Amino acid sequence: QQQVKQSPQSLIVQKGGIPIINCAYENTAFDYFPWYQQFPGKGPALLIAIRPDVSEKKEGRFTISFNKSAKQFSLHIMDSQPGDSATYFCAAQAPGEAGNNRKLIWGLGTSLAVNP
Amino acid sequence: SQTIHQWPATLVQPVGSPLSLECTVEGTSNPNLYWYRQAAGRGLQLLFYSVGIGQISSEVPQNLSASRPQDRQFILSSKKLLLSDSGFYLCAYGQLRTEAFFGQGTRLTVV
Repeated sequence: QQQVKQSPQSLIVQKGGIPIINCAYENTAFDYFPWYQQFPGKGPALLIAIRPDVSEKKEGRFTISFNKSAKQFSLHIMDSQPGDSATYFCAAQAPGEAGNNRKLIWGLGTSLAVNP
Repeated sequence: SQTIHQWPATLVQPVGSPLSLECTVEGTSNPNLYWYRQAAGRGLQLLFYSVGIGQISSEVPQNLSASRPQDRQFILSSKKLLLSDSGFYLCAYGQLRTEAFFGQGTRLTVV
């Protein structure tokens, strides 16, 4: 059972557009929601993250919007550039049974292409 | 600063051969360590995680095993590779209430 559902699977926008990637979760125990960016042949890298006590977080051109009641969160990329073309993963994290084991539950990823 | 090393970057192995991928972390102590596999164009599948030396949890029954002989060393192994073991293997580390940081990955092709 997939606990974090990510959409769309792929996305194409023009340079300057605002791609939006959405994720929905079911487990209300999740308390940390990161987004990762992965370029081909590389490992994912943390892009931006949010905790459920805030509804929005901005870092540069990247914004996370968080809706706790709907159990949804989304990534917005303002003024997108061809260099933003990558695969984006959302994830969610809950406290582990031992308090120190915090596994990430991953979405399946969104392949973003930003055309020049 | 914290860094993670994973090698080799690419590997081509025949079916039935053994496998050993190594991951080491620097600049942190007692990290949680993770092995993921990523099939081409697919998401991340957690294979193993470890919260301490000798403590390994398996997420998916498979042809692979993991070991943690030292605090900052995590090894992924197989006695006999299958074609289905091909993929992009990623090591990651994290600690309580911090993010997961990934290595650069190993592209394994089983032929």
